[in-house]
Amino acid sequence: KAGVTQTPRYLIKTRGQQVTLSCSPISGHRSVSWYQQTPGQGLQFLFEYFSETQRNKGNFPGRFSGRQFSNSRSEMNVSTLELGDSALYLCASSLAASGDTQYFGPGTRLTVL
Amino acid sequence: GQNIDQPTEMTATEGAIVQINCTYQTSGFNGLFWYQQHAGEAPTFLSYNVLDGLEEKGRFSSFLSRSKGYSYLLLKELQMKDSASYLCAVTLGGFQKLVFGTGTRLLVSP
Repeated sequence: KAGVTQTPRYLIKTRGQQVTLSCSPISGHRSVSWYQQTPGQGLQFLFEYFSETQRNKGNFPGRFSGRQFSNSRSEMNVSTLELGDSALYLCASSLAASGDTQYFGPGTRLTVL
Repeated sequence: GQNIDQPTEMTATEGAIVQINCTYQTSGFNGLFWYQQHAGEAPTFLSYNVLDGLEEKGRFSSFLSRSKGYSYLLLKELQMKDSASYLCAVTLGGFQKLVFGTGTRLLVSP
């Protein structure tokens, strides 16, 4: 079974631009969560989607948004990029219920100049 | 708020045993995960504890004490490839949200 895939793997943007990242979950997984990883803050939860609905959201500004499609694929969007948005963005998929193991994709490395 | 603590860095020798501790203070605790992350790679699942006690899986074991807010990951017969960061994460309530500690960087030397 194929793992979680994320595209693109690397991105370089400038301040003020916007970016869209994509995540395809493991086949059969209906929950997709997004995390931001930085050296200073570690891994922080952004949001989680299940059946095209956002079920939970972390403490990030409204510039960070996401959505999920009927095939469970998910995208996240960051608008008006800031230097501090430079990070590794990880997507994780799981079956559905709380406590189900989340399997991570390889991540998208975003650099904001 | 949620607070999860792990040592920042640990060193050990190949073939030895190392224990990585994780303490947490959270509301609505559901369960605790351990992940391994090699530099530049995605976290990979190691273990999940919901009930008190020890879960053994090959060279890796994980322990949980819910009353003490404490967990540890035990790595036996250390190998060079075990050099990585080890992340402790808790799930809260009925949500698929992982709250991570800052991670413990383990360096295994020959």
